[in-house]
Amino acid sequence: GIQVEQSPPDLILQEGANSTLRCNFSDSVNNLQWFHQNPWGQLINLFYIPSGTKQNGRLSATTVATERYSLLYISSSQTTDSGVYFCAVARGQAGTALIFGKGTTLSVSS
Amino acid sequence: DAGVIQSPRHEVTEMGQEVTLRCKPISGHNSLFWYRQTMMRGLELLIYFNNNVPIDDSGMPEDRFSAKMPNASFSTLKIQPSEPRDSAVYFCASSFGGGRQRALHFGNGTRLTVT
Repeated sequence: GIQVEQSPPDLILQEGANSTLRCNFSDSVNNLQWFHQNPWGQLINLFYIPSGTKQNGRLSATTVATERYSLLYISSSQTTDSGVYFCAVARGQAGTALIFGKGTTLSVSS
Repeated sequence: DAGVIQSPRHEVTEMGQEVTLRCKPISGHNSLFWYRQTMMRGLELLIYFNNNVPIDDSGMPEDRFSAKMPNASFSTLKIQPSEPRDSAVYFCASSFGGGRQRALHFGNGTRLTVT
């Protein structure tokens, strides 16, 4: 199956700092999504981004499908950004299940 | 929309007991997924359904696990008999299969503790 590797595994930031999280995957995909799991355990969908670039407020994501990686940018980080960020990918027909990476744990302190 | 609704939020049971987890997907979504999260194994897919039909159950750990989707608005995951190693957070998620609407939406999960 497709392998998903995320880096770094852990990241500690001061409030206001910027960060880049990376997701590498082992095979071509046609579905890539980023999620944030907050400290209460809720999994929130951030982006559906099989290719190209998207922005939503302080967050943006870029996927270069031909090179099999995706980046999640967090600018001007806030304490509420803390949690685990997951990348998930799938290949195939619509409705195929996503395979998750192990995540990047982000801690933002004030 | 109410989002994906899971019940119960917490379940504590003794080894050997039957456990049933419930999920109501977002109205209009035609794909439903059951995932399990543990510290050791992360988020792992158990089973998923498209249009109420099970597509891939290769992630179901053993015959003790079973899942059903009798209609488009309800699914259950059953563990019988439960074992301590089944302790985990079980998430249900749903999506619509078409194009940009493939974004996956999760419920708040059921935290299962088997003693």
